[in-house]
Amino acid sequence: EVQLVETGGDLIQLGGSLRLSCAASGFSVGTNYMNWVRQAPGKGLEWVSIVESGGNTHYADSVKGRFIISRDNSKNTVFLQMNSLGVEDTAVYFCARRGRFCTDGVCHYSFDSWGQGTLVTVSS
Amino acid sequence: DIQMTQSPSSLSASVGDRVTITCRASQDISNYLAWFQQKPGEAPKSLIYAASSLHSGVPSKFSGSGSGTDFTLTISSLQPEDFATYYCQQYKTYPLTFGQGTRLEIK
Repeated sequence: EVQLVETGGDLIQLGGSLRLSCAASGFSVGTNYMNWVRQAPGKGLEWVSIVESGGNTHYADSVKGRFIISRDNSKNTVFLQMNSLGVEDTAVYFCARRGRFCTDGVCHYSFDSWGQGTLVTVSS
Repeated sequence: DIQMTQSPSSLSASVGDRVTITCRASQDISNYLAWFQQKPGEAPKSLIYAASSLHSGVPSKFSGSGSGTDFTLTISSLQPEDFATYYCQQYKTYPLTFGQGTRLEIK
């Protein structure tokens, strides 16, 4: 069974740093596209970052240069290092897998599994 | 960046109704479109990928259609557990972007 468990959320001071973890089971993070998605209180979903199976990473403009996504295949865990945190980073952070779905030679990489989320609160 | 716009932002319906939610992309995304359901305090649940393909375990009351820039999610025979917020998302290019959400409420 695929499972994702996020940890590391906390109350942090403005300008501080925090590292989130996403422990996976039932599959290997190293052969999948792993994402972070966040949701500010009362707001919609915002994609944050991805580490692709080949190691390429991508970021939303709102976090580029401040956040770093990484993975440890031996621990089957994905991380999100968050630096220079601002109040706008306050959100529940979800870890999500983009599964690979192929039909007639065309493959789609779409979210198929989500963790329960971890809350990051940045205080001024 | 590709902007995703959902309509309506909120919708009231009754148990047993059939409802349709629309999602429009600011540029052609072919069928690289997903739909998600989220209930308060819970993680999103993946419903549809490739605009119209249901994820495993998703009931056939959910259906998606569209290609290019215009897409729809239809839910037939609404049950109490279907009242939630629904999001579309394009995954054709980075940054991946979501619609603002459609809140489906009980009338």
